Amino acid sequence: DGGITQSPKYLFRKEGQNVTLSCEQNLNHDAMYWYRQDPGQGLRLIYYSQIVNDFQKGDIAEGYSVSREKKESFPLTVTSAQKNPTAFYLCASSTRGSGRSPYTDTQYFGPGTRLTVL
Amino acid sequence: GQQVMQIPQYQHVQEGEDFTTYCNSSTTLSNIQWYKQRPGGHPVFLIQLVKSGEVKKQKRLTFQFGEAKKNSSLHITATQTTDVGTYFCAGPLASGGSYIPTFGRGTSLIVHP
Repeated sequence: DGGITQSPKYLFRKEGQNVTLSCEQNLNHDAMYWYRQDPGQGLRLIYYSQIVNDFQKGDIAEGYSVSREKKESFPLTVTSAQKNPTAFYLCASSTRGSGRSPYTDTQYFGPGTRLTVL
Repeated sequence: GQQVMQIPQYQHVQEGEDFTTYCNSSTTLSNIQWYKQRPGGHPVFLIQLVKSGEVKKQKRLTFQFGEAKKNSSLHITATQTTDVGTYFCAGPLASGGSYIPTFGRGTSLIVHP
């Protein structure tokens, strides 16, 4: 069954702790993305990766880190430096990243992880 | 910087009324996509528009891409309670030498039975 998975669905952490959110896809997609969504807000891009072992900062990368060691996996670490980490985090993938091409491919989203920092 | 703007932020309608959300870009877009996010869910791809002036229909949903490829709209005829959710547009905007998908803030549709 192909798709993109995120775990856990709900996550609680104490302030000052780092936490890693997982994102796995078996769609054989090259590109993967992390978004943050706050109530009443749109999707803000944290990091994206267009190919294995390469990733780029999005609009709100401060306080977050990622790795892309495998094509299938793109974990996101929310560090203690992130001032307001409580949010809904969405991972997505697409066949390929746009790169220099001015077209974007369809994005397939995971179910999301709702992180609450106490 | 370059942006994708979407209005209105919220829209309340009575079941059976029509609904429209508008998306505007600060720059010409090569393509635009529309997604729907149900309450508590994740965004799901609806459609992609590529050509200037393109109009596509999916049952009661009509999607339009402007002639200048800087604006788009989604119109729902005779809304139903199943249409409830947030509708997002997304387009590729240039950032640091690459194009990255950029989402509008979304329009939340609330349908009253």
